[in-house]
Amino acid sequence: GAVVSQHPSRVICKSGTSVKIECRSLDFQATTMFWYRQFPKQSLMLMATSNEGSKATYEQGVEKDKFLINHASLTLSTLTVTSAHPEDSSFYICSARDRQYANYGYTFGSGTRLTVV
Amino acid sequence: GDSVTQMEGPVTLSEEAFLTINCTYTATGYPSLFWYVQYPGEGLQLLLKATKADDKGSNKGFEATYRKETTSFHLEKGSVQVSDSAVYFCAPFDRGSTLGRLYFGRGTQLTVWP
Repeated sequence: GAVVSQHPSRVICKSGTSVKIECRSLDFQATTMFWYRQFPKQSLMLMATSNEGSKATYEQGVEKDKFLINHASLTLSTLTVTSAHPEDSSFYICSARDRQYANYGYTFGSGTRLTVV
Repeated sequence: GDSVTQMEGPVTLSEEAFLTINCTYTATGYPSLFWYVQYPGEGLQLLLKATKADDKGSNKGFEATYRKETTSFHLEKGSVQVSDSAVYFCAPFDRGSTLGRLYFGRGTQLTVWP
């Protein structure tokens, strides 16, 4: 079945530094990838939608300069948290949609726990 | 846009108890409906789905029926196990959406005790 690999699974960084999270579709081409942030008590917030070769579409209230998204190929999207601060600490999850099964193929990565100290 | 209202958790049950997690949605079109499950420390996995009215999605003993008239997609399982402890998310998917975004609600935490 479709697999999405997300790395790293955990990262601790110092305040003010930048962190890159990778999301790869291993056995399918992903026309679209999605980035979510999960807050305490489970709430999942969609941050942005990235399409291969074009600029990401950010949800209202998400700072595009803070959360840089690049989708350079059909199998890789990256989220860079720039100048991270403790309030950016969260669980980030990516999701990819299979190009072939556009209406159904949402596969999620295993998530990245970011802690900013 | 589409939105979903899920039963507030946490839900705590004994093993072999009957489970219902309510989900109602609002949608401008005719959405597909999904239930996803998130085990501790992991991403989301598709549990089941239904694509049209009266369809029943099922997997691992879980079932949910697409009720267009009540805009609901309640998740049920006849006998839960400890291994079912997880967070469950209901999500409508707008098939007409160009971007194909999937929005989630708060999720419902389920804890099953032996």
